[in-house]
Amino acid sequence: GENVEQHPSTLSVQEGDSAVIKCTYSDSASNYFPWYKQELGKRPQLIIDIRSNVGEKKDQRIAVTLNKTAKHFSLHITETQPEDSAVYFCAASKQAGTALIFGKGTTLSVSS
Amino acid sequence: DSGVTQTPKHLITATGQRVTLRCSPRSGDLSVYWYQQSLDQGLQFLIQYYNGEERAKGNILERFSAQQFPDLHSELNLSSLELGDSALYFCASSPLGGLGDTQYFGPGTRLTVL
Repeated sequence: GENVEQHPSTLSVQEGDSAVIKCTYSDSASNYFPWYKQELGKRPQLIIDIRSNVGEKKDQRIAVTLNKTAKHFSLHITETQPEDSAVYFCAASKQAGTALIFGKGTTLSVSS
Repeated sequence: DSGVTQTPKHLITATGQRVTLRCSPRSGDLSVYWYQQSLDQGLQFLIQYYNGEERAKGNILERFSAQQFPDLHSELNLSSLELGDSALYFCASSPLGGLGDTQYFGPGTRLTVL
């Protein structure tokens, strides 16, 4: 079945710096890749997603890139702020009706 | 607030017991997903229902079962509980249960098995 690897597991940056989180997936049939942000004790919240017919998508300070050939996708956060501190999960989905397979998560800490 | 509700918020029980977790999807969403989040396993997909029918199954133990009712709410039943079942259980819903459907998560139920 599908397997999603996520790196790094922890990431510490200074306020204003950029943060990059990378994920690789195993099943070439996967074609939907969302990113979720989870604050401590809260529910995962979708922050951005990308489909396989798109190579890059941007929403203000957040962008996601997808390389289908290499089977990896990345989350980029620019101008980080302390409120960006949270656990970020990548996920992959390969066909209609199949649920999301999540990476293990990255704990991002932004210090001011 | 995602519009997905889950009850109860917290549940403390003993090994060997049985519990039921409840989820109400967003208005209009037909598909419900259940996920388990533990420290060592991360977020793991358990099972999905679409309009009352089971659509997909993940790493769900035989001791666990679920159903989706005609009003589209769903229940996850956990029986013969073990210490290792302690986790956060999330329900998510999506409009059609198809590829690319955005899944909206509920606030979760924290289960503690003593």
